[in-house]
Amino acid sequence: QVQLKESGPGLVQPSQTLSLTCTVSGLSLTSNSVSWIRQPPGKGLEWMGVIWSNGGTDYNSAIKSRLSISRDTSKSQVFLKMNSLQTEDTAMYFCARWVYYSSYFDYWGQGVMVTVSS
Amino acid sequence: DIRMTQSPASLSASLGETVNIECLASEDIYSDLAWYQQKPGKSPQLLIYNANSLQNGVPSRFSGSGSGTQYSLKINSLQSEDVATYFCQQYNNYPLTFGSGTKLEIK
Repeated sequence: QVQLKESGPGLVQPSQTLSLTCTVSGLSLTSNSVSWIRQPPGKGLEWMGVIWSNGGTDYNSAIKSRLSISRDTSKSQVFLKMNSLQTEDTAMYFCARWVYYSSYFDYWGQGVMVTVSS
Repeated sequence: DIRMTQSPASLSASLGETVNIECLASEDIYSDLAWYQQKPGKSPQLLIYNANSLQNGVPSRFSGSGSGTQYSLKINSLQSEDVATYFCQQYNNYPLTFGSGTKLEIK
């Protein structure tokens, strides 16, 4: 069955770069698109960006200058890198499968909590 | 960006009751709307897409309706397992945006 699982450091220092990995199973990254979505504690959801099945990317303009999404199809992994982290980037980070020919999400990972603090 | 205004922010209802959650878009989103359920400590689960289509495996007591800028999620015969926060999401335009959530509790 389709599964996504996020991994990465739980604590990042301010101004540093965040690196997260989403490992997928039960789907191919060459025929599926994957998004990153984050949720600050007690708050709503923010779409961050997507890596398309063809390897192209699109980002939320609010964070585009700091964000990069890439993948390794041979390892079934999608990567998120975001630089210049601030305390407001403290959040649960989810990866999710983008439903083909639409723009909502039918499978989500469990999420990884990232705290930005010195 | 399209703003999604969700109401109410919180809701308390009795078992067996019917509840409605509203989502108002800042512009016409042409039914490009999804609803998610997020239980405490869990990731969101897709309930409804295209404003009124029920995702496979979701109980039929959940239903969605609306058009234009106004949408709603209806839960019939409220069950204890429905305690969760519910979010709407528009996908008519980038960036994709979510409502602020409705926290549903049992009275």
